[in-house]
Amino acid sequence: EAGVAQSPRYKIIEKRQSVAFWCNPISGHATLYWYQQILGQGPKLLIQFQNNGVVDDSQLPKDRFSAERLKGVDSTLKIQPAKLEDSAVYLCASSPRVGTEAFFGQGTRLTVV
Amino acid sequence: QKEVEQNSGPLSVPEGAIASLNCTYSDRGSQSFFWYRQYSGKSPELIMSIYSNGDKEDGRFTAQLNKASQYVSLLIRDSQPSDSATYLCAVNMMYSGGGADGLTFGKGTHLIIQP
Repeated sequence: EAGVAQSPRYKIIEKRQSVAFWCNPISGHATLYWYQQILGQGPKLLIQFQNNGVVDDSQLPKDRFSAERLKGVDSTLKIQPAKLEDSAVYLCASSPRVGTEAFFGQGTRLTVV
Repeated sequence: QKEVEQNSGPLSVPEGAIASLNCTYSDRGSQSFFWYRQYSGKSPELIMSIYSNGDKEDGRFTAQLNKASQYVSLLIRDSQPSDSATYLCAVNMMYSGGGADGLTFGKGTHLIIQP
């Protein structure tokens, strides 16, 4: 069974530029999450999708972050404009059912300079 | 605001000994509990899930849950140097309507197994 796919693996951008991350969840997983992990901290939930609907985006900085999940499969997370404090690893995860374990992709390491 | 607390460590354990990792959570409504292992520069990898009070064993790993005390732990028997990693505790809550929130993670405990 293929795992969660993410791209790119690494990205370096200047502050105020925009960036987008892509995620393809495990086949059949209806629930998809985007997490932000800053060095030395645990992952922080940014947004949760159930199929193509948003379940929770309470911790998403909506003035600069946006996310969508078209057709209930692939998802993109965008940052515009980026700030230095956005430097982190962005992790995509998916779950087969609500309330069950989440499986993570390899993540995208973002550096904002 | 839900909180998940873990001792950041480092926790140093001799090879072959039992490593004990602890986690407390603030939301009494939490119903699903998970332990993830994260190697440096890698993404979190699921080790154990536990949903009801008591112990759950899987190979060298045992997860323990006490909902009354809002406490979950992970025991690693016969610790190996390859177990050296950060261990993340995660919880989530099911809603009466059938939904669930996303996993809330602790900051993780850095475990070092000394050869």
